[in-house]
Amino acid sequence: IAGITQAPTSQILAAGRRMTLRCTQDMRHNAMYWYRQDLGLGLRLIHYSNTAGTTGKGEVPDGYSVSRANTDDFPLTLASAVPSQTSVYFCASSVRAHTEAFFGQGTRLTVV
Amino acid sequence: QQQVKQSPQSLIVQKGGIPIINCAYENTAFDYFPWYQQFPGKGPALLIAIRPDVSEKKEGRFTISFNKSAKQFSLHIMDSQPGDSATYFCAAIISFRGSTLGRLYFGRGTQLTVWP
Repeated sequence: IAGITQAPTSQILAAGRRMTLRCTQDMRHNAMYWYRQDLGLGLRLIHYSNTAGTTGKGEVPDGYSVSRANTDDFPLTLASAVPSQTSVYFCASSVRAHTEAFFGQGTRLTVV
Repeated sequence: QQQVKQSPQSLIVQKGGIPIINCAYENTAFDYFPWYQQFPGKGPALLIAIRPDVSEKKEGRFTISFNKSAKQFSLHIMDSQPGDSATYFCAAIISFRGSTLGRLYFGRGTQLTVWP
């Protein structure tokens, strides 16, 4: 593996269900991010982590939670999915905060 | 409040044309400006980046022009090809570690179509 791996690549989820999107990086990057991409709105930051053990809220954090137990993994959890969370989700990482980010291939999530 | 404004939202050019995508920012603390290219079904990939002490940077057919006084920067694609059809995002970041704003701020993207 080289880079960022996201799983699943796509998912259809019933509203009200809980879902965890997985993200793993093997570049030993300190900072990791979750974005959602919606047509016309670009990339919006959901949550971020500047280093293992710390997390922070981005622009659109409501309905989402994250954890950063170690350097490599940064899962995103939807506690109770709603249709407005239908989107493409991208995990990204950077060597550290304040540097450019590298993106995974995305997870397409549809909440019905 | 959108930190980085990007235009146009979409752009169609003929093969060989020079599409230009423009971005503007307000926060003068931004000191690093990367561009990302995204193909359908893929994640954004870093394309080229510039710092404000440089007015222009070229990498192959891609050129960034930077106007620090106007707080504007733009991407030009020379001799555009159908394979350049993608969505392009400009971004800005404060690289100084002491700043709390340590993340990328993205424009909303430009969908470029290059006709053969």
